[in-house]
Amino acid sequence: EPEVTQTPSHQVTQMGQEVILRCVPISNHLYFYWYRQILGQKVEFLVSFYNNEISEKSEIFDDQFSVERPDGSNFTLKIRSTKLEDSAMYFCASRGGYATYEQYFGPGTRLTVT
Amino acid sequence: LAKTTQPISMDSYEGQEVNITCSHNNIATNDYITWYQQFPSQGPRFIIQGYKTKVTNEVASLFIPADRKSSTLSLPRVSLSDTAVYYCLVGGNNAGNMLTFGGGTRLMVKP
Repeated sequence: EPEVTQTPSHQVTQMGQEVILRCVPISNHLYFYWYRQILGQKVEFLVSFYNNEISEKSEIFDDQFSVERPDGSNFTLKIRSTKLEDSAMYFCASRGGYATYEQYFGPGTRLTVT
Repeated sequence: LAKTTQPISMDSYEGQEVNITCSHNNIATNDYITWYQQFPSQGPRFIIQGYKTKVTNEVASLFIPADRKSSTLSLPRVSLSDTAVYYCLVGGNNAGNMLTFGGGTRLMVKP
């Protein structure tokens, strides 16, 4: 069964550093998402991406965040200058097409900012 | 977005049927009801979606009454591996389709 993959599984970084979280969505999927989950809290939507542009973003997704689909397979989330409060599990998800609704989530990247 | 309310936690035993009810009084006409499951340290996994009446797949059933103000996820004969957090989400199947997760119901299945 096709699946979404994410790398790395765990990233430790110092406050103020830039991090790039990588995702490989399911091939032929058209919609891509990033969510995050702070330990013990709800899963929160960050951004959705379609046709090489952001379609929706939440208040969390401020100027420190950016997303990119640099080639036909990868989908990345960049945090320019990490803060302690960015420590969370970051999930990538993809969806097949407009007529489909199921989002497939990756295993997540645990980001720890020290 | 319609607000959802579901129990914080539930306990069950292996082999029992588990029903988790979600209230969504402000559901809009074009909203669908979707349930996801999340195991610790894993991404959420789609279980089932419905609009009205009953939907069944190989994993679960979803019961939606005529007024659509609530829904019930039914898991037949649960096993220990069904211990997880279950999320009820309500929203439209729009192009962006961002998912808004609530607190979910933590289901503990005991032997």
